[in-house]
Amino acid sequence: EVQLLESGGGLVPPGGSLRLSCAASGFSFNDYTMTWVRQAPGKGLQWVSTITAIGGATYYAASVRGRFTISRDTSKNTVYLQMNNVRAEDTAVYYCAKETQFYLIDYWGQGTLVSVSS
Amino acid sequence: DIQMTQSPSSLSASVGDRVTITCRASQSITNYLAWYQQRPGKAPKLLIYAASLLQSGVPSRFSGSGSGTDFTLTINSLQPEDIATYYCQTYSSFRKTFGPGTKVDIK
Repeated sequence: EVQLLESGGGLVPPGGSLRLSCAASGFSFNDYTMTWVRQAPGKGLQWVSTITAIGGATYYAASVRGRFTISRDTSKNTVYLQMNNVRAEDTAVYYCAKETQFYLIDYWGQGTLVSVSS
Repeated sequence: DIQMTQSPSSLSASVGDRVTITCRASQSITNYLAWYQQRPGKAPKLLIYAASLLQSGVPSRFSGSGSGTDFTLTINSLQPEDIATYYCQTYSSFRKTFGPGTKVDIK
């Protein structure tokens, strides 16, 4: 059974930093692209960042490029999202997601809430 | 960038009704279209991919159709557990774009 368990969310002041983690299990982590998607309170879903399985190529939404960094540790089956210089508009539930070979998200974690406020 | 729109933004229907949600892409996405269900307080769940293929374990009352720019999600015989927000999403590249969502509740 595929499981994605996010952690690391919490309250952070504007301009601060936070690192989200997503521990994956139930599938061959090394073989799959991983993605972060966020959802602001009461709003829709927004793609944030993706890291490929092979080569570890990374992609970012324009709104977070230069501030967020996605990475993966194959020894720990974990994907990370380092969030720097956060803004109030980064407040959201952040979901970790697994992709199929064709960019399709097929599994989601339960999400972790990030609140940016002074 | 590809933009996705959905209509309606919300709807109320009775148990047993057929419900139809429409999704439109700003340019052709062939059939790279998925539908997700998000129940209140829960993570999204994949229902339909490649516009019309049912994800394993999803009830057969859900179906999808369309190609190019216009797509439809149909729920045949709405059930109480179908109360949720439904999102369409294009996945033609690493950059995924979601529609704004359609909230479905029971009349």
